[in-house]
Amino acid sequence: DAGVTQSPTHLIKTRGQHVTLRCSPISGHKSVSWYQQVLGQGPQFIFQYYEKEERGRGNFPDRFSARQFPNYSSELNVNALLLGDSALYLCASSWGLSNTGELFFGEGSRLTVL
Amino acid sequence: QKEVEQNSGPLSVPEGAIASLNCTYSDRVSQSFFWYRQYSGKSPELIMSIYSNGDKEDGRFTAQLNKASQYVSLLIRDSQPSDSATYLCAVSSSASKIIFGSGTRLSIRP
Repeated sequence: DAGVTQSPTHLIKTRGQHVTLRCSPISGHKSVSWYQQVLGQGPQFIFQYYEKEERGRGNFPDRFSARQFPNYSSELNVNALLLGDSALYLCASSWGLSNTGELFFGEGSRLTVL
Repeated sequence: QKEVEQNSGPLSVPEGAIASLNCTYSDRVSQSFFWYRQYSGKSPELIMSIYSNGDKEDGRFTAQLNKASQYVSLLIRDSQPSDSATYLCAVSSSASKIIFGSGTRLSIRP
């Protein structure tokens, strides 16, 4: 069975640009969570979506937005990129709401902002 | 105060010894607790979950939970070089999300 897939795996952007990251959850999983991981730190919670509705939001500015589609895949959008947005963006899927079960992570999208 | 706190390490343990990793959390209503392992350049993978006070054993791994003290720990027995990784403590919050600590780097020396 396919695990969580994310695209692109690596990308380079310049300040002020926009980026869209994509995630396909494990088949049967209805929840997708997005995390930002800076080198040397643990993953920081950005969003959780369950059944296409936002169920949780972390302490990130409004430049960050996300959505979940009817097939449970998800997009994370970041506008007006800053140098500090450079990080590994992890998508994790779970069958139900993430606080009740384990998270399965994709390999991540590594974003570099120049 | 951080929601989930861990000693960043590195923690160096000789091969075959017991590695002890600790974590404290601030949200008293947290109900679910997890330990994830992250190898360098890889994504986190779940190794243990624990939901009630006491010990839970799975092979060489034992998770311990003390809700009164808001403390979670992970013991790794018979440590192997392949256990060298960053161990992330994660806690479910009352706001329907899982919060991670900053991780403890574990190094098993031969």
